[in-house]
Amino acid sequence: GAVVSQHPSRVICKSGTSVKIECRSLDFQATTMFWYRQFPKQSLMLMATSNEGSKATYEQGVEKDKFLINHASLTLSTLTVTSAHPEDSSFYICSASITDTQYFGPGTRLTVL
Amino acid sequence: QKEVEQDPGPLSVPEGAIVSLNCTYSNSAFQYFMWYRQYSRKGPELLMYTYSSGNKEDGRFTAQVDKSSKYISLFIRDSQPSDSATYLCAMTNQAGTALIFGKGTTLSVSS
Repeated sequence: GAVVSQHPSRVICKSGTSVKIECRSLDFQATTMFWYRQFPKQSLMLMATSNEGSKATYEQGVEKDKFLINHASLTLSTLTVTSAHPEDSSFYICSASITDTQYFGPGTRLTVL
Repeated sequence: QKEVEQDPGPLSVPEGAIVSLNCTYSNSAFQYFMWYRQYSRKGPELLMYTYSSGNKEDGRFTAQVDKSSKYISLFIRDSQPSDSATYLCAMTNQAGTALIFGKGTTLSVSS
């Protein structure tokens, strides 16, 4: 199957700092990537849809000024959590769409102290 | 009513058992159905993909979709301890769009 990578896999930061998470499709080009958030023992909640070369589409309740998404190329999308707070601590997962299926990255665990 | 309903379990079975995992949904427009397996602290791994109604088999895994009942199933034959994970159903109405996930069912297979 297609491979999606995420970097970093784990990050710990201080409250008020910004954190950037990268999502790459390694062996295919993805015009659309998705960013999800997952709390412990919960399912994946869609945060935003990232389209190459255009602005991301955010789900209701997701602050676009706080969660900045950039999809600069067909293989890379980034999520920047700005001015992070402890309540932003979570597991962030990206996925990339290829034809009619989606492949997920391994996830990034963010801990904000 | 949530769009996708899935019993979170946990479900515990002995090694070698046949496991049945299920999801129901309310949106009749859904056409693309997937099952993902997620190990703790890892990203979901695509197990099975089915378009519209019907059955699909891959090794020990069989996926079934019954659109008339809005019901999908995943069967695991000869279950192994390595199958212990959370299984997520996901679906969408249009290829390339965001998936709607069930809550996930936690499966434990004991040796």
